[in-house]
Amino acid sequence: DGGITQSPKYLFRKEGQNVTLSCEQNLNHDAMYWYRQDPGQGLRLIYYSQIVNDFQKGDIAEGYSVSREKKESFPLTVTSAQKNPTAFYLCASNPLTANYGYTFGSGTRLTVV
Amino acid sequence: SQQGEEDPQALSIQEGENATMNCSYKTSINNLQWYRQNSGRGLVHLILIRSNEREKHSGRLRVTLDTSKKSSSLLITASRAADTASYFCATGTSTFNFGNEKLTFGTGTRLTIIP
Repeated sequence: DGGITQSPKYLFRKEGQNVTLSCEQNLNHDAMYWYRQDPGQGLRLIYYSQIVNDFQKGDIAEGYSVSREKKESFPLTVTSAQKNPTAFYLCASNPLTANYGYTFGSGTRLTVV
Repeated sequence: SQQGEEDPQALSIQEGENATMNCSYKTSINNLQWYRQNSGRGLVHLILIRSNEREKHSGRLRVTLDTSKKSSSLLITASRAADTASYFCATGTSTFNFGNEKLTFGTGTRLTIIP
């Protein structure tokens, strides 16, 4: 089945540690996105990529980094510079077609311990 | 504040009743989309309405869009227990290249269907 796979489902990070969240899609979509969701709030855009080896900052990129070496993969690294990383992280993809909905993964819940 | 804001924040109804959620936004848009999120899960795309459309149907869903008032509504008819979830509106604006839209999400409406 085509879709987006995010791993791990739960992740615990110690203070000062970098962690990487995985996002893989087999939909052949050109665009991929990372969103952050805090309790009771909507989604905020962290980074997005519309083509391999290119990506752009979203609204809250500070403390995060990404790479897009393959069309299928868009990993997100939460660095130690992100002061409040505890949140639910969602990856999404889109075929770069206007008026086409996004496909989301099932999310990674990151907790700082 | 959010580009899209849903109203009400929470809604509880009896199974079989209709549920209506509203979304207001601030800027001009290409389209408006509605998504559903079950607790602790990812979002599922429900329906998209273009800026030149006024109403759209998909199964038990009916979406309206009033661009003059910058508002949209989502109606779920004959609600079921499985409809219990959070519902988000997202506005698509042409900020990105390649003709794709940037999606900006509201804070959501938490819908509870009482069996």
